[in-house]
Amino acid sequence: GNSVTQMEGPVTLSEEAFLTINCTYTATGYPSLFWYVQYPGEGLQLLLKATKADDKGSNKGFEATYRKETTSFHLEKGSVQVSDSAVYFCALREFEGGSEKLVFGKGTKLTVNP
Amino acid sequence: EPEVTQTPSHQVTQMGQEVILRCVPISNHLYFYWYRQILGQKVEFLVSFYNNEISEKSEIFDDQFSVERPDGSNFTLKIRSTKLEDSAMYFCASSKTSGRATDTQYFGPGTRLTVL
Repeated sequence: GNSVTQMEGPVTLSEEAFLTINCTYTATGYPSLFWYVQYPGEGLQLLLKATKADDKGSNKGFEATYRKETTSFHLEKGSVQVSDSAVYFCALREFEGGSEKLVFGKGTKLTVNP
Repeated sequence: EPEVTQTPSHQVTQMGQEVILRCVPISNHLYFYWYRQILGQKVEFLVSFYNNEISEKSEIFDDQFSVERPDGSNFTLKIRSTKLEDSAMYFCASSKTSGRATDTQYFGPGTRLTVL
């Protein structure tokens, strides 16, 4: 079946450092890809998405490009802030038999220190 | 901005008891989902629901689980006889459409279920 693999965390960075969180997927076809973020004590929030190859999703300074050649959707941010501390989940959208669901990676915890 | 809401935020129950987790999806959404996240593990799909029927369910969603949309706003997940391994964060999600590349599921804040 379809699956998502994320880099193992936790990741600890200093403020203004560059962030990369790797995400690769295994899927039939070309599913839509998502990054969700979970801030401490909160639910899952959509951060960004891409629906087809070479699409770049972006939001709040975060970016991710849908690369079908490498089946990847790595999350990047040029300069992280303390407020970016959260757990980040990569996910793909699986659509079969008329219904859809999201398949998530394990999540990567990011801590940004001042 | 419309959002998905869930109640309660935290539920503690004894093993073998029934629990009902409640969700209010975004008002013009037609597709509803439950996911769960056992502490430290992946977020896992449980069930999807459309037009008052289950569209798809995972292996986790056995006979102890059921879902219902009892009125025009609520969407509930019932666990008939809870087990220790049901302890998890349960997320409700909704989407306006399904089957399109642009579909997006919006998640609620979750209900943390603790089974003692």
